[in-house]
Amino acid sequence: QSVLTQPPSVSGAPGQRVTISCTGSSSDVGAAYDVHWYQHLPGTAPKLLIFGNTNRPSGVPDRFSASKSGTSASLAITGLQAEDEADYFCQSYDNSLSVVFGGGTKLTVL
Amino acid sequence: QVQLQESGPGLVKPSETLSLTCTVSGYSINSVNSAYYWGWIRQPPGKGLEWIASFSHNGRTYHNPSLKSRDTISVDTSRNQYFLRLSSVTAADTAVYYCARENRYGSGSYFVSWGQGTQVTVSS
Repeated sequence: QSVLTQPPSVSGAPGQRVTISCTGSSSDVGAAYDVHWYQHLPGTAPKLLIFGNTNRPSGVPDRFSASKSGTSASLAITGLQAEDEADYFCQSYDNSLSVVFGGGTKLTVL
Repeated sequence: QVQLQESGPGLVKPSETLSLTCTVSGYSINSVNSAYYWGWIRQPPGKGLEWIASFSHNGRTYHNPSLKSRDTISVDTSRNQYFLRLSSVTAADTAVYYCARENRYGSGSYFVSWGQGTQVTVSS
């Protein structure tokens, strides 16, 4: 059972917009800790997609954006492309100084 | 650019100790940067990522309480490697294990660079 809750799967057609939610609690996301997002293709190293709630590392397309409010965060992908098909994980921190992850969301591009 | 590579036995027997190595290149583990930590994360089959532990160059360590102190992190700065030992393993410890460089700061932490991961199966 992951600490942060994500939908197991989302899907969208090429060109569409999809969002992935990440829900925590008052001891992690709601305690003002930042949320970060990773893209993971099976068999490869996870890739940092968003850090500090809304920031994209260099090289990440601006099709990827994220937000955070209260105990929840959300990742949005616009202009969906076939190469976006992957697993997406959110990650935060909690009051015991532990790193916590979401269970992951599998994005399918139809 | 920092690169990390995990290595270790792919198969461990129940009740034994799992030992993994992370070899870091492109950056010295011993560099004095208070924001940088070095961590271990795993992903059991069909499940999400689970953080195991992290440590910094000055010896500060953080552990996931759910592992009930079964885990030990150590480092060999001369070889720019760090290690994970997980004792009394069971089938529940079967997972892909990743090492990663972590940025810790006031509002949390995130993993900037990851290894490719190494599969560990616990089975007799």
